[in-house]
Amino acid sequence: EPEVTQTPSHQVTQMGQEVILRCVPISNHLYFYWYRQILGQKVEFLVSFYNNEISEKSEIFDDQFSVERPDGSNFTLKIRSTKLEDSAMYFCASSPGQDSYEQYFGPGTRLTVT
Amino acid sequence: LAKTTQPISMDSYEGQEVNITCSHNNIATNDYITWYQQFPSQGPRFIIQGYKTKVTNEVASLFIPADRKSSTLSLPRVSLSDTAVYYCLVGDMYPGGYNKLIFGAGTRLAVHP
Repeated sequence: EPEVTQTPSHQVTQMGQEVILRCVPISNHLYFYWYRQILGQKVEFLVSFYNNEISEKSEIFDDQFSVERPDGSNFTLKIRSTKLEDSAMYFCASSPGQDSYEQYFGPGTRLTVT
Repeated sequence: LAKTTQPISMDSYEGQEVNITCSHNNIATNDYITWYQQFPSQGPRFIIQGYKTKVTNEVASLFIPADRKSSTLSLPRVSLSDTAVYYCLVGDMYPGGYNKLIFGAGTRLAVHP
């Protein structure tokens, strides 16, 4: 069964450093998303992406965040200058674009900012 | 997006049927009801979706009364591996488009031996 993959599984970085989180969505899916979950808290929507542009972004997704689909298979989330409060589990998801709320989530990248 | 209310936690035992009810009094005509499951340190996983009456798949059943102000996720004969957080989401769908998911706190189900 096809699945969403994410790398790395765990990233440790120092405050102020740039990080890039990588995702490979399911190959025939059209819509891509990033969510995050701070430890012990709710899963929060960050951004949705379709047709090589952002469809919607949340208030969390400020100028420090960017997304890219550089090569037709990868989908990346970049945080330009990490803060301590960016420490969280980041989940990538994709959906085929049909009339459904069924999104397929990856296993997540745990980002720890020290 | 309709606000949802569900129990913070539930306990059950292996082999029992578990019913988790979600209240969504302000559900709109175009809203669908969707349930996700999340195991510790994993991404959420779609379980089931419905609009009205009853929907059943290989994992669960979803019961939606006529007024649609609540819904009940039913898990038959749970096992220890069903221990997870279960989320009820309510929202309309953009035909052929994306649908951002808005998660609440969910219901933490603990299944005991």
